[in-house]
Amino acid sequence: DGGITQSPKYLFRKEGQNVTLSCEQNLNHDAMYWYRQDPGQGLRLIYYSQIVNDFQKGDIAEGYSVSREKKESFPLTVTSAQKNPTAFYLCASSWGIATEAFFGQGTRLTVV
Amino acid sequence: RKEVEQDPGPFNVPEGATVAFNCTYSNSASQSFFWYRQDCRKEPKLLMSVYSSGNEDGRFTAQLNRASQYISLLIRDSKLSDSATYLCVALGGSNYKLTFGKGTLLTVNP
Repeated sequence: DGGITQSPKYLFRKEGQNVTLSCEQNLNHDAMYWYRQDPGQGLRLIYYSQIVNDFQKGDIAEGYSVSREKKESFPLTVTSAQKNPTAFYLCASSWGIATEAFFGQGTRLTVV
Repeated sequence: RKEVEQDPGPFNVPEGATVAFNCTYSNSASQSFFWYRQDCRKEPKLLMSVYSSGNEDGRFTAQLNRASQYISLLIRDSKLSDSATYLCVALGGSNYKLTFGKGTLLTVNP
């Protein structure tokens, strides 16, 4: 089945640790995105990538890093520099610019 | 001014009611618009795209007014299963990024 797979579904991190969230898509989409959602809030864009080996910062990139070495993969690293990392992280992909995006099931990250 | 603003809600309606969601966007260069639906603790799912001429999909009708920078979603004959948060989304500008509104929670009651 085609789709977007995020893993893990739940992740617990100790303060001061870096963690990497996985996002893989087999839809052959060019563009991929990472969003963060806090309770009662809308989605905020962290990073996005329109093509392999290229990505741009979104509205809240501080404390996060990404890579796009393969078309199907767009992992997000939450670094220790991110002050409030507890949130619901959503990965999405789309055919390209000006098209709708499709989301993975999300990763709930909790700092303990 | 927020880039995409929606009715704050929440909306509580009885089954069979007609409910309308409104959304405004600030970036006049926005090119495409969408409505997504998000169930509690789930990912957003595309409900429908919004075209300039307006479009309908069953009980759902979306409208776009570029002059007023306004988008709407109308749900007719609402069902219990329509209960969710509805997200307005604008795409475009120089960086072609998707910008989401905060969403409006709808609860349809029996």
